[in-house]
Amino acid sequence: QLQLQESGPGLVKSSETLSLTCSVSGGSISSGNYFWGWIRQPPGKGLEWIGSIYYSGRTFYNPSLKSRVTIFVDTSKNEFSLLLNSVTAADTAVYYCASRLSSSPTSKYDSWGQGTLVTVSS
Amino acid sequence: SYELTQPPSVTVSPGQTARITCSGDKLGDKYVSWYQQKPGQSPVVVIHHGSRWPSGIPERFSGSISGNTATLTISGTQTLDEADYYCQTWDSGTASDVFGTGTKVTVL
Repeated sequence: QLQLQESGPGLVKSSETLSLTCSVSGGSISSGNYFWGWIRQPPGKGLEWIGSIYYSGRTFYNPSLKSRVTIFVDTSKNEFSLLLNSVTAADTAVYYCASRLSSSPTSKYDSWGQGTLVTVSS
Repeated sequence: SYELTQPPSVTVSPGQTARITCSGDKLGDKYVSWYQQKPGQSPVVVIHHGSRWPSGIPERFSGSISGNTATLTISGTQTLDEADYYCQTWDSGTASDVFGTGTKVTVL
């Protein structure tokens, strides 16, 4: 099973860009027809899907966040990343990266990172 | 946008059966996964494709779908099953993953 680990600043200023990276170990990010995703959870609230990227590079984004989100893969580093611009306090959340080890978007998210809390300050 | 609705909370006595529902338009035509999340931990999938068990998940967890409602059933509920549970599906119309609103299961 893959191991995923999020990294990035824990504090971001309002209106700036949130940048997180998910390092993948236990396998190659480019070895299979897999999806790589980002999900977040505001404190005390439920899970919200942010977006995912297929191994081919095709991206899928939450319609409510689409205008502010970019997800990309760096195969040389075996990692994938999230950029969320123009952040506000509403973007304060624990951010999880996750993997879907299937070529179908209807399959489950198999592995999750431990999550990283990002706080947006004014 | 596509939405999945769950009851905020379910309370069950130890050893009894807990049922958690997840409602969405034409959900019976989609594949549903269920995730368990304990405080301070990452979610873990307990059911996928509506009714399949991932390896390592006890068979007291089961899933079903009928019409617009998916149900996660926990038989012989144990105190260690206390957690938040989320349903999730892929909506092809919007090409998006969608998570349910979440249900807190309390065992007492």
